[in-house]
This record gives sequence, structure tokens and C-alpha cells, in this order.
Amino acid sequence: DTAVSQTPKYLVTQMGNDKSIKCEQNLGHDTMYWYKQDSKKFLKIMFSYNNKELIINETVPNRFSPKSPDKAHLNLHINSLELGDSAVYFCASSPAWGNTYNEQFFGPGTRLTVL
Amino acid sequence: AQSVTQLGSHVSVSEGALVLLRCNYSSSVPPYLFWYVQYPNQGLQLLLKYTSAATLVKGINGFEAEFKKSETSFHLTKPSAHMSDAAEYFCAVMIPGSQGNLIFGKGTKLSVKP
Repeated sequence: DTAVSQTPKYLVTQMGNDKSIKCEQNLGHDTMYWYKQDSKKFLKIMFSYNNKELIINETVPNRFSPKSPDKAHLNLHINSLELGDSAVYFCASSPAWGNTYNEQFFGPGTRLTVL
Repeated sequence: AQSVTQLGSHVSVSEGALVLLRCNYSSSVPPYLFWYVQYPNQGLQLLLKYTSAATLVKGINGFEAEFKKSETSFHLTKPSAHMSDAAEYFCAVMIPGSQGNLIFGKGTKLSVKP
């Protein structure tokens, strides 16, 4: 069984389009995250949600909007896509926020290419 | 603010040789430290973690890391490299109570030669 899944795996689109990436976890975790990995493999957190509530919102353009319909899902919607948005986006989840540590489990990633 | 520095963006070893991947951190409070591995076209997998218990931490696939507070280091080692160890390795730091904010280093690509 897949623990953290993302769809689609690959996404190729034109500049200016709006797209969404979906993430689902079946681990029963309360916290979910979105990370961006750029072309140099650098990973940076974008958002985290705990029980559908936004906890971390790093410096990310407001064209990026996370949506958490329930605690098992955290989707990422991107408006007016730009060339610089091309990256691999990883979803992750972890047990309840506030534990002694939060081991994060990562999805397989979505490679977004903006042409 | 906390940060992670991984020395060497690319490390190449021969099969059977020692693997040493370096990680130094900066943090104003005792951090939690992690090593993740990323195989080609896959997500990240946790190798091992330090959460203020034993300073020598053993992980999966024969890897281990030692937390050295005096050196602010958390280097990853494996006595004998296998071809299957070829991957990208990320060191990460988290401040306890920071709402799960993992700060990653820039990664080290490990190549293993036959």
C-alpha cells in the first residue's frame, strides 16, 4: 500500500496556466507538507498543515495555494504558472505536530515542467 | 536561524570502500538531525535520525551517523559501499517544537564505482 501518493507524477504545461497537484496519505497522520526541489536538488519547505489548519507558510508567491479538504489530503494549486515554477514538488506527512520529533514520510514527487 | 552545510556536492567511492558524507549544522538550540536518501526519480526515505538520545545512531542499509556537539557535525558513514548505495543524500535539521520545519542541506550525490 502506498503511504503518501501524489498525482500526477509528471506535469507539463504552458506559462500562464493554472494547475493542481494532489496528495493523499493513508498513514493516519495529522500533519502534511509541501516541499519544492529545484533543478539543483535543493529542497525547501513551502507549507505545512496540521489537521487541515495552515501551520507553516514560507515565503512563497501567493500564486501557490494549498487546500486541505481533510487531514488525509493536501492539494497544491498553482495559478499563472511561470518558468521558475519548474521543479519537483514533494508532499510529505508526519504524526501529530507537537510530538518529540516529526518523522516525515515523503511521496514520490511530481515533476512540473513549465514551457 | 538554523542551517545545514553538506561538504561536497559529489562524492565518489569504490565498491567496498568507506563512505563518509559530511554534514555540519548551525542551531541556537539542540536540534534534531536527520539523514534522508533519494534514489533516482524517487521520493526521500529516512535513513536515520538523532533526537537527543544516543549520539551514535544506526540506520537502515548499514549506515550510521555520530552527533558531535563540539564540532556541530552529524557525518554519515558506512564501512563498505555497495553499488546500490548510489543516490543523493540529504542532511536535515529540525528545531524541537518548530512545527516540523525541516531545513535541508543541498545534498551530496554518492557515486559507487565497481
